[in-house]
Amino acid sequence: AQSVTQLGSHVSVSEGALVLLRCNYSSSVPPYLFWYVQYPNQGLQLLLKYTTGATLVKGINGFEAEFKKSETSFHLTKPSAHMSDAAEYFCAVIPSGGYQKVTFGIGTKLQVIP
Amino acid sequence: DVKVTQSSRYLVKRTGEKVFLECVQDMDHENMFWYRQDPGLGLRLIYFSYDVKMKEKGDIPEGYSVSREKKERFSLILESASTNQTSMYLCASSFPARSTEAFFGQGTRLTVV
Repeated sequence: AQSVTQLGSHVSVSEGALVLLRCNYSSSVPPYLFWYVQYPNQGLQLLLKYTTGATLVKGINGFEAEFKKSETSFHLTKPSAHMSDAAEYFCAVIPSGGYQKVTFGIGTKLQVIP
Repeated sequence: DVKVTQSSRYLVKRTGEKVFLECVQDMDHENMFWYRQDPGLGLRLIYFSYDVKMKEKGDIPEGYSVSREKKERFSLILESASTNQTSMYLCASSFPARSTEAFFGQGTRLTVV
Protein backbone atom coordinates (compact mmCIF):
# COMPACT_ATOMS: atom_id res chain seq x y z
CA ALA A 1 0.00 0.00 0.00
CA GLN A 2 1.04 3.52 -0.73
CA SER A 3 2.21 5.68 2.17
CA VAL A 4 3.47 9.22 2.57
CA THR A 5 5.68 10.43 5.40
CA GLN A 6 6.08 14.09 6.23
CA LEU A 7 8.87 14.62 8.71
CA GLY A 8 8.00 17.28 11.25
CA SER A 9 4.39 18.14 11.96
CA HIS A 10 5.51 21.67 12.92
CA VAL A 11 8.34 23.66 11.39
CA SER A 12 9.40 27.16 12.41
CA VAL A 13 11.59 29.43 10.31
CA SER A 14 12.58 33.06 10.52
CA GLU A 15 11.32 35.46 7.91
CA GLY A 16 13.82 35.44 5.04
CA ALA A 17 15.22 32.01 5.92
CA LEU A 18 15.13 28.88 3.79
CA VAL A 19 12.00 26.77 3.99
CA LEU A 20 12.46 23.00 3.72
CA LEU A 21 9.51 20.66 4.20
CA ARG A 22 10.23 16.98 3.83
CA CYS A 23 8.16 14.32 2.10
CA ASN A 24 9.00 10.68 1.46
CA TYR A 25 6.80 8.11 -0.19
CA SER A 26 6.82 4.35 -0.28
CA SER A 27 6.21 2.83 -3.66
CA SER A 28 8.08 0.42 -5.90
CA VAL A 29 6.96 2.42 -8.92
CA PRO A 30 7.26 6.21 -8.84
CA PRO A 31 3.85 7.74 -8.28
CA TYR A 32 2.49 11.13 -9.20
CA LEU A 33 3.42 13.62 -6.48
CA PHE A 34 1.72 16.77 -5.26
CA TRP A 35 2.14 19.49 -2.66
CA TYR A 36 -0.94 21.32 -1.42
CA VAL A 37 -1.22 24.31 0.91
CA GLN A 38 -4.02 25.06 3.33
CA TYR A 39 -4.44 28.53 4.80
CA PRO A 40 -6.47 28.87 8.02
CA ASN A 41 -10.15 28.09 7.60
CA GLN A 42 -9.78 27.28 3.93
CA GLY A 43 -9.64 24.23 1.72
CA LEU A 44 -6.47 22.92 0.10
CA GLN A 45 -5.00 24.40 -3.04
CA LEU A 46 -2.31 23.03 -5.31
CA LEU A 47 1.22 24.39 -4.91
CA LEU A 48 2.94 22.17 -7.47
CA LYS A 49 3.02 18.66 -8.88
CA TYR A 50 5.38 16.17 -10.48
CA THR A 51 4.06 13.79 -13.11
CA THR A 52 6.80 13.14 -15.67
CA GLY A 53 9.76 14.98 -17.17
CA ALA A 54 11.94 17.46 -15.33
CA THR A 55 12.47 16.40 -11.73
CA LEU A 56 12.67 19.95 -10.40
CA VAL A 57 9.24 21.51 -10.50
CA LYS A 58 8.30 25.07 -9.73
CA GLY A 59 5.04 26.10 -8.20
CA ILE A 60 3.20 29.16 -7.02
CA ASN A 61 4.50 31.68 -4.48
CA GLY A 62 8.16 30.85 -5.14
CA PHE A 63 8.02 27.24 -3.97
CA GLU A 64 9.73 24.38 -5.75
CA ALA A 65 10.23 20.67 -5.17
CA GLU A 66 12.59 18.06 -6.50
CA PHE A 67 11.64 14.48 -7.23
CA LYS A 68 14.47 12.13 -6.25
CA LYS A 69 13.67 8.57 -7.23
CA SER A 70 16.71 7.08 -5.50
CA GLU A 71 15.65 8.66 -2.19
CA THR A 72 11.89 8.28 -2.76
CA SER A 73 11.58 11.91 -1.77
CA PHE A 74 9.76 15.03 -2.92
CA HIS A 75 10.91 17.78 -0.55
CA LEU A 76 9.42 21.26 -0.80
CA THR A 77 11.66 24.32 -0.62
CA LYS A 78 11.53 28.08 -0.80
CA PRO A 79 14.69 30.19 -0.63
CA SER A 80 13.26 32.98 1.53
CA ALA A 81 10.25 32.64 3.83
CA HIS A 82 7.60 35.30 3.93
CA MET A 83 5.06 35.87 6.69
CA SER A 84 2.29 34.97 4.25
CA ASP A 85 3.76 31.46 3.88
CA ALA A 86 2.46 30.51 7.33
CA ALA A 87 0.05 27.68 6.58
CA GLU A 88 -0.23 23.91 6.63
CA TYR A 89 1.38 21.96 3.81
CA PHE A 90 0.38 18.51 2.62
CA CYS A 91 2.30 16.11 0.45
CA ALA A 92 0.14 13.72 -1.60
CA VAL A 93 0.70 10.82 -3.99
CA ILE A 94 -1.35 9.01 -6.59
CA PRO A 95 -0.07 5.60 -7.75
CA SER A 96 0.92 5.37 -11.39
CA GLY A 97 -1.02 2.15 -11.81
CA GLY A 98 -3.83 0.19 -10.24
CA TYR A 99 -6.40 1.74 -7.96
CA GLN A 100 -6.49 5.51 -8.40
CA LYS A 101 -6.49 6.80 -4.88
CA VAL A 102 -4.83 9.88 -3.43
CA THR A 103 -2.88 9.36 -0.21
CA PHE A 104 -2.05 12.43 1.87
CA GLY A 105 0.64 12.94 4.45
CA ILE A 106 -0.34 14.17 7.90
CA GLY A 107 0.66 17.71 7.08
CA THR A 108 3.33 20.13 8.26
CA LYS A 109 2.38 23.42 9.89
CA LEU A 110 4.82 26.13 8.93
CA GLN A 111 5.31 29.02 11.33
CA VAL A 112 7.21 32.08 10.11
CA ILE A 113 8.80 34.16 12.84
CA PRO A 114 9.27 37.88 12.19
CA ASP B 1 -11.81 29.05 -12.19
CA VAL B 2 -12.86 25.71 -10.81
CA LYS B 3 -15.27 26.03 -7.99
CA VAL B 4 -16.14 23.40 -5.43
CA THR B 5 -18.83 24.60 -3.09
CA GLN B 6 -19.79 23.02 0.19
CA SER B 7 -23.22 23.97 1.44
CA SER B 8 -22.20 24.92 4.98
CA ARG B 9 -19.03 26.25 6.59
CA TYR B 10 -20.15 25.40 10.12
CA LEU B 11 -22.72 22.93 11.40
CA VAL B 12 -23.78 21.91 14.88
CA LYS B 13 -25.86 18.75 15.18
CA ARG B 14 -27.10 16.57 18.00
CA THR B 15 -26.06 12.97 18.62
CA GLY B 16 -28.27 10.59 16.67
CA GLU B 17 -29.34 13.10 14.03
CA LYS B 18 -29.09 12.29 10.35
CA VAL B 19 -26.73 14.80 8.77
CA PHE B 20 -26.33 15.73 5.11
CA LEU B 21 -23.23 17.48 3.79
CA GLU B 22 -23.59 18.74 0.24
CA CYS B 23 -20.91 19.46 -2.32
CA VAL B 24 -21.27 20.89 -5.82
CA GLN B 25 -18.59 21.37 -8.48
CA ASP B 26 -18.86 23.34 -11.69
CA MET B 27 -16.05 21.86 -13.80
CA ASP B 28 -17.69 18.69 -15.10
CA HIS B 29 -15.25 16.55 -13.11
CA GLU B 30 -15.85 12.81 -13.10
CA ASN B 31 -14.18 12.19 -9.73
CA MET B 32 -15.48 13.51 -6.44
CA PHE B 33 -14.18 12.83 -2.96
CA TRP B 34 -15.06 13.26 0.69
CA TYR B 35 -12.24 13.58 3.20
CA ARG B 36 -12.17 14.04 6.91
CA GLN B 37 -9.40 16.20 8.40
CA ASP B 38 -8.31 15.83 12.02
CA PRO B 39 -5.23 17.30 13.74
CA GLY B 40 -2.27 14.95 13.57
CA LEU B 41 -4.05 12.60 11.19
CA GLY B 42 -4.04 14.61 7.98
CA LEU B 43 -6.73 13.93 5.40
CA ARG B 44 -8.42 10.58 5.40
CA LEU B 45 -10.59 9.44 2.53
CA ILE B 46 -14.14 8.51 3.47
CA TYR B 47 -15.67 7.78 0.06
CA PHE B 48 -15.07 8.68 -3.52
CA SER B 49 -17.12 8.53 -6.69
CA TYR B 50 -15.80 8.22 -10.23
CA ASP B 51 -19.13 8.60 -12.00
CA VAL B 52 -22.81 9.21 -11.38
CA LYS B 53 -24.28 6.57 -9.07
CA MET B 54 -20.81 4.99 -8.64
CA LYS B 55 -19.00 5.00 -5.31
CA GLU B 56 -16.04 3.38 -3.66
CA LYS B 57 -15.20 3.12 0.02
CA GLY B 58 -12.16 4.96 1.21
CA ASP B 59 -10.14 4.34 4.33
CA ILE B 60 -12.78 5.23 6.94
CA PRO B 61 -16.29 4.64 5.53
CA GLU B 62 -17.88 3.35 8.75
CA GLY B 63 -20.78 5.50 9.89
CA TYR B 64 -21.01 7.32 6.56
CA SER B 65 -22.78 6.87 3.25
CA VAL B 66 -22.77 8.91 0.05
CA SER B 67 -25.02 9.75 -2.84
CA ARG B 68 -24.22 10.91 -6.34
CA GLU B 69 -27.34 11.28 -8.44
CA LYS B 70 -25.96 14.05 -10.66
CA LYS B 71 -22.44 14.53 -11.93
CA GLU B 72 -21.95 17.88 -10.25
CA ARG B 73 -23.24 16.93 -6.79
CA PHE B 74 -21.84 14.57 -4.17
CA SER B 75 -23.48 14.23 -0.79
CA LEU B 76 -22.06 12.79 2.40
CA ILE B 77 -24.56 11.35 4.86
CA LEU B 78 -24.01 10.64 8.52
CA GLU B 79 -26.78 8.16 9.25
CA SER B 80 -26.72 8.71 13.02
CA ALA B 81 -24.26 11.38 14.06
CA SER B 82 -21.92 10.64 16.95
CA THR B 83 -19.52 12.86 18.86
CA ASN B 84 -16.51 11.09 17.32
CA GLN B 85 -17.64 12.41 13.94
CA THR B 86 -16.92 15.96 15.04
CA SER B 87 -14.38 17.05 12.46
CA MET B 88 -13.57 19.15 9.41
CA TYR B 89 -15.02 17.63 6.23
CA LEU B 90 -13.50 18.47 2.87
CA CYS B 91 -15.00 17.77 -0.53
CA ALA B 92 -12.83 17.63 -3.65
CA SER B 93 -13.21 16.93 -7.34
CA SER B 94 -10.90 16.08 -10.23
CA PHE B 95 -10.68 14.74 -13.74
CA PRO B 96 -9.93 11.01 -13.90
CA ALA B 97 -6.37 11.36 -15.23
CA ARG B 98 -3.87 10.55 -12.49
CA SER B 99 -1.72 13.52 -13.36
CA THR B 100 -4.44 16.02 -12.58
CA GLU B 101 -4.84 17.68 -9.23
CA ALA B 102 -7.88 17.74 -7.00
CA PHE B 103 -9.78 20.95 -6.33
CA PHE B 104 -11.10 21.41 -2.83
CA GLY B 105 -14.05 23.13 -1.25
CA GLN B 106 -13.68 25.41 1.77
CA GLY B 107 -14.60 22.69 4.20
CA THR B 108 -17.45 22.13 6.64
CA ARG B 109 -16.62 22.14 10.32
CA LEU B 110 -19.12 19.78 11.93
CA THR B 111 -19.64 19.66 15.66
CA VAL B 112 -21.79 16.87 17.10
CA VAL B 113 -23.02 17.55 20.63
